[in-house]
Amino acid sequence: DIQMTQSPSSMSVSLGDTVTITCRASQDVGIYVNWFQQKPGKSPRRMIYRATNLADGVPSRFSGSRSGSDYSLTISSLESEDVADYHCLQYDEYPRTFGGGTKLELK
Amino acid sequence: EVQLQQSGAELGKPGTSVKLSCKVSGYNIRNTYMHWVNQRPGKGLEWIGRIDPANGNTIYAEKFKSKATLTADTSSNTAYMQLSQLKSDDTAIYFCAIGGFAYWGQGTLVTVSS
Repeated sequence: DIQMTQSPSSMSVSLGDTVTITCRASQDVGIYVNWFQQKPGKSPRRMIYRATNLADGVPSRFSGSRSGSDYSLTISSLESEDVADYHCLQYDEYPRTFGGGTKLELK
Repeated sequence: EVQLQQSGAELGKPGTSVKLSCKVSGYNIRNTYMHWVNQRPGKGLEWIGRIDPANGNTIYAEKFKSKATLTADTSSNTAYMQLSQLKSDDTAIYFCAIGGFAYWGQGTLVTVSS
C-alpha cells in the first residue's frame, strides 16, 4: 500500500500566518492527491484536487503544490475559519490512503 | 444540489452486524464510485472500500475484506455498507463519499458495546 506521511501532526498558528502542510508519498502517485479540511463534528470538505486544483467555493488563500513525491497545502493569511484538521489522500492506486492528519490550533 | 443522507446512529453488540445506508440526491450514483471511509474517535480518516453502482464491482482495503460488504441500489440511488462481526474496535464514524470525494455524507456513528 502507498503510505502518505503527513507532517506536522499538529501546528500552533496565529491569524495572518502562512501555513504549509506536507504529505510525502511512499511511491509515485502523480497528480492524484486531494486535500480535505475537517472541522469538529463535520464531514471532510475537499479543498484541493489533482494536487493543485482549487475545489469549488474554496478561498484563493488555499493552494496546493507538488515537488516530486512531496505534496503541500498552503494557507496564506490564515483566518479563524481555517483552524481545522487537514488530511491528504492519494487516489492513484487502490487502496486509497490518507495521511495521518494535521491539526491546526490557535496560539 | 448534491446531498448524501446517511442513516442514523447505530448501537451494536459485539459479534452482531449493522447495515448503514447512504441515499444520494442530485447525482446519479450510476455515474460515480461510492467510497466509504471511517474515522475512529480522535483519529484520522481510513478508506474502507468502494463500489461501482453501475455494475456492483467492489474493491476493499485488505483489513476490511472480511468486515465490510458494499452494495448499491440504483433504483433508489442508495448505497449500503454492512459491517459484520462487530468488535469494540469498529466503533467509529462511517462516511460515504462520491464524485472523487467532492461530496460527503454527514456520517453515521457506530458504537459497539455490550
